[in-house]
Amino acid sequence: DSGVTQTPKHLITATGQRVTLRCSPRSGDLSVYWYQQSLDQGLQFLIQYYNGEERAKGNILERFSAQQFPDLHSELNLSSLELGDSALYFCASSVGPTGGGETQYFGPGTRLLVL
Amino acid sequence: GIQVEQSPPDLILQEGANSTLRCNFSDSVNNLQWFHQNPWGQLINLFYIPSGTKQNGRLSATTVATERYSLLYISSSQTTDSGVYFCAVVRSGSARQLTFGSGTQLTVLP
Repeated sequence: DSGVTQTPKHLITATGQRVTLRCSPRSGDLSVYWYQQSLDQGLQFLIQYYNGEERAKGNILERFSAQQFPDLHSELNLSSLELGDSALYFCASSVGPTGGGETQYFGPGTRLLVL
Repeated sequence: GIQVEQSPPDLILQEGANSTLRCNFSDSVNNLQWFHQNPWGQLINLFYIPSGTKQNGRLSATTVATERYSLLYISSSQTTDSGVYFCAVVRSGSARQLTFGSGTQLTVLP
């Protein structure tokens, strides 16, 4: 158990819908990262927040957005869902803002299926 | 961006055999992690090893940062070792995110 929690574990929805994925980092960690694992793209970085502020952005679609709340949990919002958004979404956390020099701990993931 | 290449892409072993997985990366890194993704999709942290050597039970890892590669050794393989092994790095400098390799699919046969 990494100490990072993600809910829900599984999500099935229809095209055009909107969903919210939730992540709670390990106690004491201030950074939250979101990654997407799809069959064709592999594991890719989406976005990072540190202590409530966006710090880095990767291959995140405009239909996707995220935020980190004062209690440090984070939410990833996916809207106007398409079949290709079906993937495993991971949240990771670390203590500092840089991503380097320390371990990023991964949650169990949320498996999203868009029908 | 940084390139991460893993080899071999697939590996099939008999239980009890040893194996070596390799990860090459194209630039300086300040974070290198090895993960095991089990059949249920969970990513398990194995090692944080931007340089040097570490051991944890039957697993060990070595990173030679100056030559830009890392090796993961699995000894006395068990069927529960099956899954995909990923190497991921953070490029030194302004990068913050882990860049993943494409993984090595390991199958251990009883």
